[in-house]
Amino acid sequence: DIVMTQSPDSLAVSLGEVATINCKSSQSVLYSSDNKNYLAWYQQKAGQSPKLLIYWASTRESGVPDRFSGSGSGTDFTLTISSLQAEDVAVYYCQQYYSIPFTFGPGTKVDIK
Amino acid sequence: EVQLLESGGGLVQPGGSLRLSCAASGFTFSSYAMSWVRQAPGKGLEWVSSVSGSGDTTYYADSVKGRFTISRDNSKKTLYVQMNSLRAEDTAVYYCAKSSGATCYSVVDTWGQGTLVTVYS
Repeated sequence: DIVMTQSPDSLAVSLGEVATINCKSSQSVLYSSDNKNYLAWYQQKAGQSPKLLIYWASTRESGVPDRFSGSGSGTDFTLTISSLQAEDVAVYYCQQYYSIPFTFGPGTKVDIK
Repeated sequence: EVQLLESGGGLVQPGGSLRLSCAASGFTFSSYAMSWVRQAPGKGLEWVSSVSGSGDTTYYADSVKGRFTISRDNSKKTLYVQMNSLRAEDTAVYYCAKSSGATCYSVVDTWGQGTLVTVYS
């Protein structure tokens, strides 16, 4: 199984500042046949279902604000919120869909400082 | 608008069974793989099972293999999971989730609101 780890476990950022979340996979999720990273980022607000933010490691889902961006390749990935807004308070999860079982990271809780 | 509406959750004793359903609307159901993902109270997300758009390919997490069976009825636009031999550790909110493509190896792009399954003794 591919183990996903995230850091930090939680972070508090001032409004308008940058929030950075890291995700690492225990093996590469880059598929050589299509040169795509099978890595997604989800946002889950309190009491709500998860919401897809980023797929293929860096492609923003339709309707997601452009302050959210994803980067990385292979085993190391980053989700960046360029200017944190109050509505961004949530838990963020990375997930690989490269191999079964499709594993999630443990989540990173983002709060306002 | 894509909508996924789960039902069938509830209280069940260890060793019992439950069948969850997920009614889909707003998209061509048979063209997309579907999954169940669960979240234990206060915990993170755990992928449970996926089925291809045609229904001929299924995958399971080791934690549920042999106990859970995923299926779909494309004529009814409904996803199911039959859960047998339930254990306390199966207690969770179960989310129905739609993938972006027909194959299971595609990103989950839409989630239902979830249904709570509680296994108690």
